[in-house]
Amino acid sequence: EADIYQTPRYLVIGTGKKITLECSQTMGHDKMYWYQQDPGMELHLIHYSYGVNSTEKGDLSSESTVSRIRTEHFPLTLESARPSHTSQYLCASSELGTGGYTEAFFGQGTRLTVV
Amino acid sequence: LAKTTQPISMDSYEGQEVNITCSHNNIATNDYITWYQQFPSQGPRFIIQGYKTKVTNEVASLFIPADRKSSTLSLPRVSLSDTAVYYCLVGSSNTGKLIFGQGTTLQVKP
Repeated sequence: EADIYQTPRYLVIGTGKKITLECSQTMGHDKMYWYQQDPGMELHLIHYSYGVNSTEKGDLSSESTVSRIRTEHFPLTLESARPSHTSQYLCASSELGTGGYTEAFFGQGTRLTVV
Repeated sequence: LAKTTQPISMDSYEGQEVNITCSHNNIATNDYITWYQQFPSQGPRFIIQGYKTKVTNEVASLFIPADRKSSTLSLPRVSLSDTAVYYCLVGSSNTGKLIFGQGTTLQVKP
């Protein structure tokens, strides 16, 4: 099992609230990612990081922000939650394996519902 | 990043071999081909990766023709528990991004 953890697993919150989704990995991976996925739909990359103090927007525009102050920690923050933010958020980290490939490990996800 | 095209869905029966083909016409020289599996309400899981020819592990085989413009994931003797979404990704270790397409939903029937 991969050592990457997300909390909380489920969150129901009211509109306008500020929330932070936590993601931590103990594998020492430099690269980390946040994806957004609606039920039955594809994963959309919303943020990624090459390492400490390095963050970039993904292919899907998102109102969330991220920070990478420590290698193992990559939290995602929504300053003011809206019903349109209701979705599943998946965190991942990756390593460069032998032979030059990249293997990503995913957390269990946070299912966010904004009411 | 090379764009990938996969069938949206496939049906199979238990015990059959399933082959899922992915097209990636714009694959670059440094790109690897990687397949992930995702069950409902879980994050994707790495299955197999290759650069050219054939790769086999305990779960699947990956066939890549010489021109590398497509690849085929082969699942031998599928079971009901193989029902999942399978994603084909193309990229190199230098790009950093991992972009998932729409994937192929495999339904295994008894």
